[in-house]
Amino acid sequence: DQQVKQNSPSLSVQEGRISILNCDYTNSMFDYFLWYKKYPAEGPTFLISISSIKDKNEDGRFTVFLNKSAKHLSLHIVPSQPGDSAVYFCAASVGDAGGTSYGKLTFGQGTILTVHP
Amino acid sequence: KAGVTQTPRYLIKTRGQQVTLSCSPISGHRSVSWYQQTPGQGLQFLFEYFSETQRNKGNFPGRFSGRQFSNSRSEMNVSTLELGDSALYLCASSIGAVNTGELFFGEGSRLTVL
Repeated sequence: DQQVKQNSPSLSVQEGRISILNCDYTNSMFDYFLWYKKYPAEGPTFLISISSIKDKNEDGRFTVFLNKSAKHLSLHIVPSQPGDSAVYFCAASVGDAGGTSYGKLTFGQGTILTVHP
Repeated sequence: KAGVTQTPRYLIKTRGQQVTLSCSPISGHRSVSWYQQTPGQGLQFLFEYFSETQRNKGNFPGRFSGRQFSNSRSEMNVSTLELGDSALYLCASSIGAVNTGELFFGEGSRLTVL
């Protein structure tokens, strides 16, 4: 049962254009949604997150949108740069007060983003 | 400040052996989580430790175990290795007080089981 899904294994974009990465989830208990970026031979790096009480969060060139009714989130990168080429993972967390979910993220399968100069 | 350090970076074992992987979290971080990354299953949560106690556990068999020391360093152990245990094992640390999901990952230990 894959609770977080990234249906596009890869995405190719021209430098300067917008990159849109999509993610769907099934578990209504998720409270936080995050995007991680991973370069080869490195661990994932936190990029941006959004709480379930919001529908948009911006950080520089990166914006994450959350549509709770559709159980869908997306990451927009504007403008895209060649250095953004990496694997992007969508992840979700249940932020319960009981602490039973600390450190536990449910990840999607990842989308390989390639930004061409 | 120094990031999350994992050792060894690469190792090769044979079926039936056991392996111990080590993780040193970012200074001041008290929570350490472990993940397994495979091409077929993606990143899957193994367990999380906070103040030397396992606070959370994923759906892995009992062959996978871990512990945390008083200095927050953590080890994970896999006994009776199987071919399917070949994977990248990632350690991540966080302050551990608030569950926002923001984790700091190490570069991983790549295990190959022959």
